[in-house]
Amino acid sequence: DAKTTQPNSMESNEEEPVHLPCNHSTISGTDYIHWYRQLPSQGPEYVIHGLTSNVNNRMASLAIAEDRKSSTLILHRATLRDAAVYYCILRRGLTGGGNKLTFGTGTQLKVEL
Amino acid sequence: DAGITQSPRHKVTETGTPVTLRCHQTENHRYMYWYRQDPGHGLRLIHYSYGVKDTDKGEVSDGYSVSRSKTEDFLLTLESATSSQTSVYFCAISGVSGGMTDTQYFGPGTRLTVL
Repeated sequence: DAKTTQPNSMESNEEEPVHLPCNHSTISGTDYIHWYRQLPSQGPEYVIHGLTSNVNNRMASLAIAEDRKSSTLILHRATLRDAAVYYCILRRGLTGGGNKLTFGTGTQLKVEL
Repeated sequence: DAGITQSPRHKVTETGTPVTLRCHQTENHRYMYWYRQDPGHGLRLIHYSYGVKDTDKGEVSDGYSVSRSKTEDFLLTLESATSSQTSVYFCAISGVSGGMTDTQYFGPGTRLTVL
């Protein structure tokens, strides 16, 4: 399976934008880029995913490099509630197949006042 | 929030005893998964199910068995618990839309301590 590389930790100030990078140089053409986050003492929650084009939803934006070897999760205005571990995961696009996710260690985002 | 519950939420047991963790969903999703999370590691897949009575192994399946006799319940059993199985266990579910497996929704977790 293709792997992802993320910084161990990042810091941000509240109400400022945050750009969380992810490298995935061995991504294949059918791999979707998924982001999940895990708040303290909770299970992970889905944030966003994309294949080739940039994506926006109510939680975040996902910017995907043209060669797809890297992507960036963008939180437009960080809040204290966004402090979490963010996981960048590649998921093989299978029709009817199991959605087996391989989690790395992710990026610990710290948000300060 | 997706309707996923895990029971028990906390358990302390002794080495060599059997332990069963339960995951219950009210979403009628086809896929169910069991992960474990240890310090310094991300979540690692133990077993997953793609339908009633259909299960398969994940990355760290040794020492664990699963059963799914109905859509809503997925049981994880440690036949003889060991201290290395002390961990936080997460259940997840996912459905199918547009012919592709949907995103995963996770339960609140079960903290298991094996003494």
